[in-house]
Amino acid sequence: AQKVTQAQTEISVVEKEDVTLDCVYETRDTTYYLFWYKQPPSGELVFLIRRNSFDEQNEISGRYSWNFQKSTSSFNFTITASQVVDSAVYFCALSTNFGNEKLTFGTGTRLTIIP
Amino acid sequence: DADVTQTPRNRITKTGKRIMLECSQTKGHDRMYWYRQDPGLGLQLIYYSFDVKDINKGEISDGYSVSRQAQAKFSLSLESAIPNQTALYFCATRRDNTDTQYFGPGTRLTVL
Repeated sequence: AQKVTQAQTEISVVEKEDVTLDCVYETRDTTYYLFWYKQPPSGELVFLIRRNSFDEQNEISGRYSWNFQKSTSSFNFTITASQVVDSAVYFCALSTNFGNEKLTFGTGTRLTIIP
Repeated sequence: DADVTQTPRNRITKTGKRIMLECSQTKGHDRMYWYRQDPGLGLQLIYYSFDVKDINKGEISDGYSVSRQAQAKFSLSLESAIPNQTALYFCATRRDNTDTQYFGPGTRLTVL
């Protein structure tokens, strides 16, 4: 069975602070894919990043960075110098490669950036 | 133009009514999905389709049906809507099972 845990239900930080969103996953498969999606107040789901299980290299995209650690089954997301536009619900998700069409989502972390 | 579109974006209906939610995509993907999102929860898979002739139930298919009219179109129907089907519904597509799922803008459905 697959599971994604986002233990932080809500986080509030003051603008320009850095913030890290935690994601812990469980799967028995050796090949899998991890994702982060952003859901702004308007409701759509915006794809942010995809990582496969063979690539543990961390990634940086502008103010966003992701830390993938197989040893702890974690795929954490850090926003540097947060902005009000970063306020949203962020979902971590997992899919595996063996006939499983389901994208398993965590319950999301609501991030509020205080101006 | 958006790659994945959903209509309607918002709908209010009454218990017992039949309702159809539509999804269209221009990404050329074979695989399409319907999910529902309830407040404070992640997304749950309702149905998915590999192509026009291949439709499969997800984890919460009871009370729903789907139709894959063409590669680009995948509709979700509620034959007799009930209040606990009030949710945000998302359509998604992807190229293959190693690809990212790309989501439509969502349809907010309220059943009174």
